[in-house]
Amino acid sequence: AQKITQTQPGMFVQEKEAVTLDCTYDTSDPSYGLFWYKQPSSGEMIFLIYQGSYDQQNATEGRYSLNFQKARKSANLVISASQLGDSAMYFCAMREAWTGGFKTIFGAGTRLFVKA
Amino acid sequence: EAGVTQSPTHLIKTRGQQATLRCSPISGHTSVYWYQQALGLGLQFLLWYDEGEERNRGNFPPRFSGRQFPNYSSELNVNALELEDSALYLCASSLEEISYTFGSGTRLTVV
Repeated sequence: AQKITQTQPGMFVQEKEAVTLDCTYDTSDPSYGLFWYKQPSSGEMIFLIYQGSYDQQNATEGRYSLNFQKARKSANLVISASQLGDSAMYFCAMREAWTGGFKTIFGAGTRLFVKA
Repeated sequence: EAGVTQSPTHLIKTRGQQATLRCSPISGHTSVYWYQQALGLGLQFLLWYDEGEERNRGNFPPRFSGRQFPNYSSELNVNALELEDSALYLCASSLEEISYTFGSGTRLTVV
């Protein structure tokens, strides 16, 4: 079963506008972590933001915020004031307990295109 | 602080050959993870090494193997290469599983 679902293969946003990238997850572990990573065309993976399952407030990091809705099992990434440099692939990931420790699994990604 | 380094950046092999990919984690990080990212697809978990031992592996055949050295650097070996092994192989390291730091990857092309 799909553990991390990103339903938007591609998204377009106008420069300076906000955009929301969707992510839903599935786990029975009460303790888990949610991450968003950015992958520019260079291929490197850049950590953006983290939300713990017990965190009461939504995580924010500069222009990035995570809209965490625990009951709906969603962890959408909101990018405010989009910039041309935000054009990249974005991956949602979940860390959950696994045999011997933890495992982090990734969604299929959403490609964001920022238009000038 | 140096990040996660991977070598080589690009690797071209012919079908049936073996490929060896290398990863040096951030100093002090004991865990190394390998992921495969085929063109246009998401990351698929390959292997996890911690303190020199293989802790877990993803749903890949045994010809994908690796090891972690005493200095926590790691090698990923892919034997009997197949065309579909062509992908970007990403290595990540972490200390306490809060977040991963990824390397820039090795792009393996099998012809």
